[in-house]
Amino acid sequence: QSALTQPASVSGSPGQSITVSCTGTYSDVGAFHYVSWYQHRPGKAPKVIIYDVRERPSGVSPRFSGSKSGNTASLTISGLQAEDEADYYCCSYGGTGTLSIFGTGTRVTVL
Amino acid sequence: DVQLVESGGGLAQPGGSLRLSCAASGFTFAHFAMTWVRQAPGKGLEWVSTISGDGDKTFYAGSAKGRFSISRDYSMNTLILQMNNLRAEDTAVYYCARDPRLGWGYFDNWGQGTLVTVS
Repeated sequence: QSALTQPASVSGSPGQSITVSCTGTYSDVGAFHYVSWYQHRPGKAPKVIIYDVRERPSGVSPRFSGSKSGNTASLTISGLQAEDEADYYCCSYGGTGTLSIFGTGTRVTVL
Repeated sequence: DVQLVESGGGLAQPGGSLRLSCAASGFTFAHFAMTWVRQAPGKGLEWVSTISGDGDKTFYAGSAKGRFSISRDYSMNTLILQMNNLRAEDTAVYYCARDPRLGWGYFDNWGQGTLVTVS
C-alpha cells in the first residue's frame, strides 16, 4: 500500500495560517474517523498533535487544528511561529494488511 | 511520566541480524499495544510492526514480513524487534511507540530512536 500523499513543503510568515493536506483513498483516510498528525523535529521523537481527525492531546497548542473531507485530511496551523518549523506527518489506518500508514511528510518553513 | 528508551542499533552486514529493544516505564506495559516505526535517511516515517498488549496479535508491514519478529518481555517491560536477513534498505532510525488503539495510526508516546545501519 502506498503512503498517503502530502505536499513536500509548505511555508508561511509568522502570524499567518497554513494548511497541510493529506490525501488517501476510500479504504484508509476516507473510511474512518481515525487520522492523526505528528510533528517531527530533527533528532527528536515524533509528537502527536492531532488524533481522531480533530482532537488535540492535552498540552498541544490550540493553534493546531485538524479536519477531513472525503479522502483528504488537513492540518491547519494558525498564528504561525518559528517553533512550528518541523516535518509534519499524517497517519491513518491502512486497510487490510496494513495496520497504520503514514503520509509522505511535509516540511513546514517559517519565513 | 511515560518513558520509552530504544537500544540495540548499530552496524550490521547485509544478511545479518540485529535485536532492538525498547525499555518502557511510567505505565502498565501489558495494557498497551506497542509499535515500531522507522525513518530511513532523507525519507518519511514508515510503520514497521505492532504487537497487542497481551502479545497474542502481531502485525507487520510488507517490508518486514518474514524477516522481522516483534515480541514483548513482560518481566522487563521491554519491547523487542528481532531483525534478520537485513538489507541495505533497512537502514533507518527505529522508533518504538505506545499504541493505545492497536493500530488506527495513533501513537501517543515515542522513544528517541536507535540507528540501524546495514552496510
